[in-house]
Amino acid sequence: KQEVTQIPAALSVPEGENLVLNCSFTDSAIYNLQWFRQDPGKGLTSLLLIQSSQREQTSGRLNASLDKSSGRSTLYIAASQPGDSATYLCAGFYNYGQNFVFGPGTRLSVLP
Amino acid sequence: EPEVTQTPSHQVTQMGQEVILRCVPISNHLYFYWYRQILGQKVEFLVSFYNNEISEKSEIFDDQFSVERPDGSNFTLKIRSTKLEDSAMYFCASSRVGNYGYTFGSGTRLTVV
Repeated sequence: KQEVTQIPAALSVPEGENLVLNCSFTDSAIYNLQWFRQDPGKGLTSLLLIQSSQREQTSGRLNASLDKSSGRSTLYIAASQPGDSATYLCAGFYNYGQNFVFGPGTRLSVLP
Repeated sequence: EPEVTQTPSHQVTQMGQEVILRCVPISNHLYFYWYRQILGQKVEFLVSFYNNEISEKSEIFDDQFSVERPDGSNFTLKIRSTKLEDSAMYFCASSRVGNYGYTFGSGTRLTVV
């Protein structure tokens, strides 16, 4: 059974710090991996999608990497801002299941 | 940018009642999905739908659940007789290609009392 885990569960940093969120998946037959942002009580906002043939994707201050062989992905946030405070979810998409398997999320607080 | 629209945003229902959650996927998308997130827990896959039939479903998606695409634009999730444990946020998603380019809706919060 595919499993996606994320560490840490929660992270609190002062504004301006660079930070890394970690995601691990048990099944390397992943087709793509997506990072989402979720604000409290709200929906899922897609941040970055990495295809299995890619190693990283960048959007603004965000950079996500994917290492299938080690079963890991990281989300790097540069120069964090209070507006980045949210829960960050990673999800692996498996072709044979035709669905995403989500991690539990990392709750990020960026303090002004 | 095209959006997946879900209505209502919040629904309260009594235990045992039937509920229908509605979604309008992006117009040229062909694959449709429902996920749910119980408060404080992971987002979980319920069902995928393509070519007017269910293509995959999870063990959560039992006989109490059904999906339908009643016309060219709506995609619905019906829960026949709601239980307290059905209280969750339900997300609809759609994609043009089955394994790429998902767009999620903003969710319907279902509260069963």
